[in-house]
Amino acid sequence: GAVVSQHPSRVICKSGTSVKIECRSLDFQATTMFWYRQFPKKSLMLMATSNEGSKATYEQGVEKDKFLINHASLTLSTLTVTSAHPEDSSFYICSASGGDPSSYNSPLHFGNGTRLTVT
Amino acid sequence: RKEVEQDPGPFNVPEGATVAFNCTYSNSASQSFFWYRQDCRKEPKLLMSVYSSGNEDGRFTAQLNRASQYISLLIRDSKLSDSATYLCVVNTDKLIFGTGTRLQVFP
Repeated sequence: GAVVSQHPSRVICKSGTSVKIECRSLDFQATTMFWYRQFPKKSLMLMATSNEGSKATYEQGVEKDKFLINHASLTLSTLTVTSAHPEDSSFYICSASGGDPSSYNSPLHFGNGTRLTVT
Repeated sequence: RKEVEQDPGPFNVPEGATVAFNCTYSNSASQSFFWYRQDCRKEPKLLMSVYSSGNEDGRFTAQLNRASQYISLLIRDSKLSDSATYLCVVNTDKLIFGTGTRLQVFP
């Protein structure tokens, strides 16, 4: 069964509005979660690393004020796309490691993704 | 040079065929390696980890060559259900995904 749950799976919103996406680890504590986005026929691109109890680490070129990340508990991280624009339309996926997040050999479990369409 | 490179395909093969995917990575400090499978409009799912000694899981065999910085995935006796995109993933201080190789198995 799924070990990482992501909600909603699909959302359509109007330009200028904000959208919140939730990512939960179901049967383990995740001190670190990751947020990716994927454009059609492209690879996953890491946006940011979400750290429980501290600020997220954003990848170069990702606006931290636009993509707000909150990791308030060991099982929940949220990504809020603020003032969404059509170019923000994409597939957003969260992930977490079931093992020691600092271990190089821990594979990631992914949420089922959120398809965001901004009209 | 991209950090992780894969042939995007598509690879169109008949059922029962053997197909091999290759992947190269640029960072020699990379520590661990994985193959993920992604179905259309779905999230990636871990297929298998890749070790220098090679590892096999049923019809799937993965191999790592650290000297050449090269990873491979071999699928034997292809099934229709194997049709998907296969992502090569390399872990240095973060996971880097290849663009994926599209496989289409036809009857």
